[in-house]
Amino acid sequence: AQSVAQPEDQVNVAEGNPLTVKCTYSVSGNPYLFWYVQYPNRGLQFLLKYITGDNLVKGSYGFEAEFNKSQTSFHLKKPSALVSDSALYFCAQGSGNTPLVFGKGTRLSVIA
Amino acid sequence: DSGVTQTPKHLITATGQRVTLRCSPRSGDLSVYWYQQSLDQGLQFLIQYYNGEERAKGNILERFSAQQFPDLHSELNLSSLELGDSALYFCASSPDVAGGPAGELFFGEGSRLTVL
Repeated sequence: AQSVAQPEDQVNVAEGNPLTVKCTYSVSGNPYLFWYVQYPNRGLQFLLKYITGDNLVKGSYGFEAEFNKSQTSFHLKKPSALVSDSALYFCAQGSGNTPLVFGKGTRLSVIA
Repeated sequence: DSGVTQTPKHLITATGQRVTLRCSPRSGDLSVYWYQQSLDQGLQFLIQYYNGEERAKGNILERFSAQQFPDLHSELNLSSLELGDSALYFCASSPDVAGGPAGELFFGEGSRLTVL
């Protein structure tokens, strides 16, 4: 069964500093990998995806993620964090014909 | 705005009761997914319907059931409610059985259920 691990419950970063939110996935053929963001009292919003191709994927709001097959990781990154980036971030894995499996989420807090 | 509508937004009820949560997918989307979000379990997949038929089943309790109607809206029925059922229930939709063109799902804003 597919599984996604987000090893950090909470990530704190100062505004303007780079941020990384970690995700590792289970090996299952060619994974489809996603990042979603959840702002308070809102549903999840799609940020970016990796299906195939370039290992560095660019998404919304200046976020990017790097697919690393040897480490089975798909870490979310942003060069310069904003206070407005503070939210709950979910990594998810799919296979193209099964519903997405989500990690438990990482709460990002960007401090001014 | 994702285009997915969920009602009610908030619901407070007592143990042993039954509630129904409703979801209207984005226009044209045939797949509806239900997820449960709780503090200790994260986001758990419950069930998926595609064009009226059950497509995939996840960690859905026997006390819970769902259906998708001909107009593609879906309802999640939760019965014999327990304190532990308190959670945020999300509906998501996509155009096809395997997710959107990029595999992504479009989420509603959720229904927060509190069982007292």
